[in-house]
Amino acid sequence: DQQVKQNSPSLSVQEGRISILNCDYTNSMFDYFLWYKKYPAEGPTFLISISSIKDKNEDGRFTVFLNKSAKHLSLHIVPSQPGDSAVYFCAASEETSYDKVIFGPGTSLSVIP
Amino acid sequence: KAGVTQTPRYLIKTRGQQVTLSCSPISGHRSVSWYQQTPGQGLQFLFEYFSETQRNKGNFPGRFSGRQFSNSRSEMNVSTLELGDSALYLCASSPLGGYGYTFGSGTRLTVV
Repeated sequence: DQQVKQNSPSLSVQEGRISILNCDYTNSMFDYFLWYKKYPAEGPTFLISISSIKDKNEDGRFTVFLNKSAKHLSLHIVPSQPGDSAVYFCAASEETSYDKVIFGPGTSLSVIP
Repeated sequence: KAGVTQTPRYLIKTRGQQVTLSCSPISGHRSVSWYQQTPGQGLQFLFEYFSETQRNKGNFPGRFSGRQFSNSRSEMNVSTLELGDSALYLCASSPLGGYGYTFGSGTRLTVV
């Protein structure tokens, strides 16, 4: 039973446009969310995070939105660049178990020049 | 500073054999987590070690085990390998666990 879901296995976006990656979770105890980016043959790298006390966090071209009532978060990349092509993992953890981070299956983003 | 180092990078084993994977965390990091990545399942949590103690364990059978040494280096062992164990095994370290993970590049295990 996946607690963190990314229902779109892949996404293609034109360079310069917005990329929106979605993530849903089932565990209402999750209160910290992270996005990781993974290039082929490399380990995932941390991208951006958000705590449940906020509904938006921004870092340059990357913005994460959290809708707690819907148990949904999304990562927006504006503008998208070819170097953003990678697999994006959504991850979550709960206050009582910060050392156990649960990852979603990932969404493969292709940014077309 | 050096990143998280996983060895070997690639491994081919036969069904029924056992395998040991190694992870050297970033210097000063005391928490090491292991993940299995497969195409359909994404990253699945195996276990997490902190100061030589297993603090958390995912939903994997007992064939999957690990340990951590006093220098924080960690090993993961899989016994009686099955074809379904073929995956990329990722190790991540962090100072205390929780956030701020840095991942290694992984060990690609193929079971034939």
